[in-house]
Amino acid sequence: EAGVVQSPRYKIIEKKQPVAFWCNPISGHNTLYWYRQNLGQGPELLIRYENEEAVDDSQLPKDRFSAERLKGVDSTLKIQPAELGDSAVYLCASSSRDRDSPLHFGNGTRLTVT
Amino acid sequence: EDKVVQSPLSLVVHEGDTVTLNCSYEVTNFRSLLWYKQEKKAPTFLFMLTSSGIEKKSGRLSSILDKKELSSILNITATQTGDSAIYLCAVGAQKLVFGQGTRLTINP
Repeated sequence: EAGVVQSPRYKIIEKKQPVAFWCNPISGHNTLYWYRQNLGQGPELLIRYENEEAVDDSQLPKDRFSAERLKGVDSTLKIQPAELGDSAVYLCASSSRDRDSPLHFGNGTRLTVT
Repeated sequence: EDKVVQSPLSLVVHEGDTVTLNCSYEVTNFRSLLWYKQEKKAPTFLFMLTSSGIEKKSGRLSSILDKKELSSILNITATQTGDSAIYLCAVGAQKLVFGQGTRLTINP
């Protein structure tokens, strides 16, 4: 089966600019996650979707971050405006309805804000 | 606050050695503990441990969950240079909390 697909792979922007990341989960996976991974740290959850509903966005900095999953399949994460501290790897993951289904990650987008 | 702590943070060994990586946790809602291997890109799934499956083995890798001690170990025997990676532990239910990871380096 095809894995979780993310794009772009790398993105370099200046601070105050907007940026968007795209994710297509594994076919049939209804749960989609966005994680942020800072250098030397483990991934931290930003938002979790069950189908098109955001069921946990408590860690999403809503003043500048937004996400959508309009048809319950692919998803977009946006930052506007970006700050220097947003430099990180943004990982998308998906899992199926099976409670014992592990998360499967995409290759991530490495964001550098200058 | 949910917390997952891994140790050591970094480990350097020679090819052929056996290593043990540790993960301890304090979470409000436990369903499973997962181990991932992360090289330069996506974390790849290794094992899932639950109350009904506290020990898993695949080739040279094995893992045990100790629910009483709220911890888990990941063992790698006869290490190879290809085992060099960051090993991540994650714990929780619908929401997974990740540890910082252990950076393992295998020298030839």
